Amino acid sequence: SQKIEQNSEALNIQEGKTATLTCNYTNYSPAYLQWYRQDPGRGPVFLLLIRENEKEKRKERLKVTFDTTLKQSLFHITASQPADSATYLCALDMNNAGNMLTFGGGTRLMVKP
Amino acid sequence: GAGVSQSPSNKVTEKGKDVELRCDPISGHTALYWYRQSLGQGLEFLIYFQGNSAPDKSGLPSDRFSAERTGGSVSTLTIQRTQQEDSAVYLCASSLGLGGGAGELFFGEGSRLTVL
Repeated sequence: SQKIEQNSEALNIQEGKTATLTCNYTNYSPAYLQWYRQDPGRGPVFLLLIRENEKEKRKERLKVTFDTTLKQSLFHITASQPADSATYLCALDMNNAGNMLTFGGGTRLMVKP
Repeated sequence: GAGVSQSPSNKVTEKGKDVELRCDPISGHTALYWYRQSLGQGLEFLIYFQGNSAPDKSGLPSDRFSAERTGGSVSTLTIQRTQQEDSAVYLCASSLGLGGGAGELFFGEGSRLTVL
């Protein structure tokens, strides 16, 4: 079956360090992958979309990589800040038809001052 | 409106009652999605609308769940004969719905349902 896996354990890092979150998927070849941020009690907020023909994408302090051979995406936050503390979700369009964006379970990031 | 609006934000109901959750998407967004998020869990896909049509309803957990969308805008998710396991946050999202994939989803703040 198709699966999207994110580390369910919280990631604790020190302010200023780079946070790296992992999203792995199986039995699927998505055309693109998305990352979202979710704060407690709020809906997810879109951060970045990366397509299968893009190896890397950047937005300010964020960087996403997409390795279709490893079936993995890495999400990096450089120079992390306490305000970056949140749950980060990856999402794939499981049938490439734009009608079923499936989310991983998310990884909670805690950035300590 | 400026964003996706959901109501009610909180709903407490008794087991066996019916509930209706409403989603008002961003104007002009043709695609609308419903997800469910249980405490501490990820998002569970429920249903997707393109315009007023829902091509795939297989994500709905049971036949007690139904959803409709009218006028290509507002959507209602109805849960009949609620059970305690229905307690969760129900999230609605919309997108432009252009070809080539879902694109960026804009989420509402969710409707928190508690079934006693």
